[in-house]
Amino acid sequence: NAGVTQTPKFQVLKTGQSMTLQCAQDMNHEYMSWYRQDPGMGLRLIHYSVGAGITDQGEVPNGYNVSRSTTEDFPLRLLSAAPSQTSVYFCASSYSEAGRYEQYFGPGTRLTVT
Amino acid sequence: EDQVTQSPEALRLQEGESSSLNCSYTVSGLRGLFWYRQDPGKGPEFLFTLYSAGEEKEKERLKATLTKKESFLHITAPKPEDSATYLCAVQDLNTNAGKSTFGDGTTLTVKP
Repeated sequence: NAGVTQTPKFQVLKTGQSMTLQCAQDMNHEYMSWYRQDPGMGLRLIHYSVGAGITDQGEVPNGYNVSRSTTEDFPLRLLSAAPSQTSVYFCASSYSEAGRYEQYFGPGTRLTVT
Repeated sequence: EDQVTQSPEALRLQEGESSSLNCSYTVSGLRGLFWYRQDPGKGPEFLFTLYSAGEEKEKERLKATLTKKESFLHITAPKPEDSATYLCAVQDLNTNAGKSTFGDGTTLTVKP
């Protein structure tokens, strides 16, 4: 299993450009999430999904869109990039089974907006 | 609102010097408390999930414990390869699974 994969690993955007960060998982997990991590801080939840076709907002959703058409894929779209969106973005997938819960993260995408 | 506070922000230990990291949390109902290890430039690596007060879990030199208000990550006789940032997160029973609240982490440095 590849686990959680993210592309690209690095990206530089100009203010106002749009782009999509890709995330895929091959563990058949029902839950997927997007977080951002800023220097010296923990992870903040952007959007999450509890299954194909179902998404919801997290703590910092403004400026981002998501969709989940399949169990495997959960892309994150930046609509009009701003310098405040410079960050490291992590995708995670997780499962809940018989009261047990575990979450696994991808390697991250480092985004710089100039 | 769920809250997670980790202390200290940074911890420097000599190899073999045992210590503990603290994670204080506030949730209306706990689904689970999670510990992760994060190396520089990498994604968080899952370590443990704790579900109820009194529960303990171990992995090599790490032992996580849980009370109703906090969790401790005990590191016994650490080695330089244990150097990393350790993240704590909680999930509230009253929110959808997949929605975790993270602390800011404790950066551990173990000197040989």
